[in-house]
Amino acid sequence: GESVGLHLPTLSVQEGDNSIINCAYSNSASDYFIWYKQESGKGPQFIIDIRSNMDKRQGQRVTVLLNKTVKHLSLQIAATQPGDSAVYFCAENMNTGFQKLVFGTGTRLLVSP
Amino acid sequence: NAGVTQTPKFRVLKTGQSMTLLCAQDMNHEYMYWYRQDPGMGLRLIHYSVGEGTTAKGEVPDGYNVSRLKKQNFLLGLESAAPSQTSVYFCASSNRTGDLNQPQHFGDGTRLSIL
Repeated sequence: GESVGLHLPTLSVQEGDNSIINCAYSNSASDYFIWYKQESGKGPQFIIDIRSNMDKRQGQRVTVLLNKTVKHLSLQIAATQPGDSAVYFCAENMNTGFQKLVFGTGTRLLVSP
Repeated sequence: NAGVTQTPKFRVLKTGQSMTLLCAQDMNHEYMYWYRQDPGMGLRLIHYSVGEGTTAKGEVPDGYNVSRLKKQNFLLGLESAAPSQTSVYFCASSNRTGDLNQPQHFGDGTRLSIL
């Protein structure tokens, strides 16, 4: 498959484990954050978002935590499955008006059966 | 439910040739974006549009032009392709609900090689 990013940080887990992927963002004024999943040869797929007035948001098997004090975002995936193997990256919205996202370079998640 | 559709999926050009990448969305979104994705780098914004008939420059606009003649379509043009424009190009669209941004939705990309 096509590589969407060379030399990406890689997290290797066993099927059924919980995964935590971290992201540091740059702008303390950012008000909106998104996690995307990108499989080889595909476009980024929306997973979950969170606004700056929240510190936690849960979806189906995923939880996003936001720590504004240290400008840190994390994505937790419960009971990781082989189908979760992909590159995950966070994005921050640095404008208070029109959405203009700044994307991280991503973390590769490898899930072994 | 098609979402965001990009054509073509693959293309090889010679230096100096021109081409247009097509993006169509069926979600009635106001905002559309063109990004490029290169190894080791995050997605970088080329141009964007906040509505039909409007366009604006993003982070890396040089060598590209865009048009948004219809709300559902956003075209990216390369007038004279250069090897540095070899990349994967993604189109995205999004909306706002009141004052709240909504997530951008992406197409599956156009893989462009310039020889």
